Order: sequence, then C-alpha cells, then structure tokens
Amino acid sequence: QVQLVQSGAEVQKPGASVKVSCKASGYTFTTYALHWVRQAPGQSLEWMGWINAGNGNTKFSQMFQDRVTITRDTSASTAYMELSSLRSEDTAMYYCARGNLRSQMDVWGKGTTVTVSS
Amino acid sequence: QSVLTQPPSVSAAPGQKVIISCSGSSSNIGNNYVFWYQQLPGAAPKLLIYENNKRPSGIPDRFSGSKSGTSATLGITGLQTGDEADYYCGTWDSSLSAYVFGSGTQVTVL
Repeated sequence: QVQLVQSGAEVQKPGASVKVSCKASGYTFTTYALHWVRQAPGQSLEWMGWINAGNGNTKFSQMFQDRVTITRDTSASTAYMELSSLRSEDTAMYYCARGNLRSQMDVWGKGTTVTVSS
Repeated sequence: QSVLTQPPSVSAAPGQKVIISCSGSSSNIGNNYVFWYQQLPGAAPKLLIYENNKRPSGIPDRFSGSKSGTSATLGITGLQTGDEADYYCGTWDSSLSAYVFGSGTQVTVL
C-alpha cells in the first residue's frame, strides 16, 4: 500500500539545523509531489513547502523561504526537508504528505517530532 | 493567525449532525478547491474531502463537503464517538502563493 515513512524524532539546539526524511513506497515516486507541513503543539497546520519529485522543482512558504531546503533522491524514493537556524518556536511535529501543488494531500507520513532546546 | 477561519469547536449527541464552516476570501476559497482533513488524537491528518465535495475511497458518505463563494462547509451526519477529532479546511491561496489551512475545529460527541 502507499506509505510515507518518516525519520525518527530529533532534538536540536537553537541555531542548529535539522534534516527530516520521508521515504515513499507503494507508488511511483516521481509521478507525485510532496508537501511538508508542520504543527506546533496545540496549533493548526502550517504549510512549509513542496517539491515536485519528478523534476525537483520546489516552492516555499514565505515564512520559511530563507531557512528551509527541500530535496529528493529519486533512487531512494525519499524526500528531505532541512530547516536551519532553529529556534524554540520551531519545536513541532513535521509531516510529509503526497500531493500536487494546488491539490489535496492524500497520503500523510506519521510525522517527525523536532524539539529545539538548549 | 490562520488565513481561513473555522469555529474552535462544535458538538452534538451521537447520531446527530454537525456542520463546520470555513471562511476565506477570493484569493483562496473563492477561486480554488477546498479540502478537508480529519486529525484524530495523536495521529497524522487524513484526507476527508477533496475538490470541495468529493470523498476519497473509504470515506463514508456521512461526511460531505460544499462550497459557496468564499466559504465552505463540512457536514457530518450520524455522529459517532469515533468522529471526535480536529477538522481542518485547506486550500491554495493565489495571493500568498501558498497552501493555507484553517484554524481547526474540534468535534465533540456529547
């Protein structure tokens, strides 16, 4: 079945970077795009950006444009989201979700907890 | 502050109906498809409704979506205890050039 499996929980210090992976299975990786969405504790969902897994094109929310990098490795059917210059407000659950840019997110990973603490 | 506005909570007895509203503007709901996601406690979000009113395979017809102008609604009939969750609307915002979500609505079954 279609699955997105994310990497494990991370604890990072303020100012550091974190890289979260999202491995796809059950479908042809390059025929769909992937979004990254985060959710701070008790808060709503917040879109961070998106990558076209086929051609590698990316689009980012202005909120994260300067700090986020999204890449993919087609040979590993895996997408990556790296967030730099971490601050305490970046403590959140980070999700990858399959979907085209203006379309529905139809499959979600279980999420990766990122904690930023000194 | 979310671009899309939802009521913080709605509640009803088992078997009853609830309606969740999602209010936006011409740059988002008014000119783009609306999607609805269900997030059960401690779980990842799950797609419930796509393209305003379509249900993915496996979603019961107790869930329905509609859109009019710059607002959308999610209806849940025959409410069950398993429907207790947070529900989020989402859409593309053409002005922000970003995907936006609502503030979320918690459904409680009394």
